[in-house]
Amino acid sequence: KQEVTQIPAALSVPEGENLVLNCSFTDSAIYNLQWFRQDPGKGLTSLLLIQSSQREQTSGRLNASLDKSSGRSTLYIAASQPGDSATYLCAGGVGNQFYFGTGTSLTVIP
Amino acid sequence: DGGITQSPKYLFRKEGQNVTLSCEQNLNHDAMYWYRQDPGQGLRLIYYSQIVNDFQKGDIAEGYSVSREKKESFPLTVTSAQKNPTAFYLCASSIISSNQPQHFGDGTRLSIL
Repeated sequence: KQEVTQIPAALSVPEGENLVLNCSFTDSAIYNLQWFRQDPGKGLTSLLLIQSSQREQTSGRLNASLDKSSGRSTLYIAASQPGDSATYLCAGGVGNQFYFGTGTSLTVIP
Repeated sequence: DGGITQSPKYLFRKEGQNVTLSCEQNLNHDAMYWYRQDPGQGLRLIYYSQIVNDFQKGDIAEGYSVSREKKESFPLTVTSAQKNPTAFYLCASSIISSNQPQHFGDGTRLSIL
């Protein structure tokens, strides 16, 4: 069974700082890796999806990388803003299912 | 606008009562999923369906039931057999392809009276 771990569980940074969120997974047979954002009491919003044949994806200030051999993915957020404050979750697709990490709660301090 | 609608937003259940959570999508997605989210535990899969009239159990299906009579609808029933139903329930859908993301509804928060 796929196990997905996210470290750190919580992170607080001053506005403007660049930061990296980490996601590790145990089953390298994933066919994609997704990063999501979740605001309090809300559903998940897809940020980036990396297929297993890709190494990274970029969208605006966000860059996600995937290293299947080491079982790791990172989400890089450049020039953080208070509006980036949310919980960030990663999920690995294996077979017909997606396995989620427990998330990193990010607070960007103005 | 295309999207996933979950209702109600808040739901309360009495002991011994079954309750049904609604999930409707107008994205024309084949696959639909139900997840349960508890504090500090991430999302866990309850049931999923890739085609009408067919569905599969996820990791925590006990005490839950689903149906998929229409492509756009995937209701979840929390039965009285589910002893700890208090949680945030999320419905998702996707195109069955490795390059397509899951789309989520805004969730239903279920509490016990």
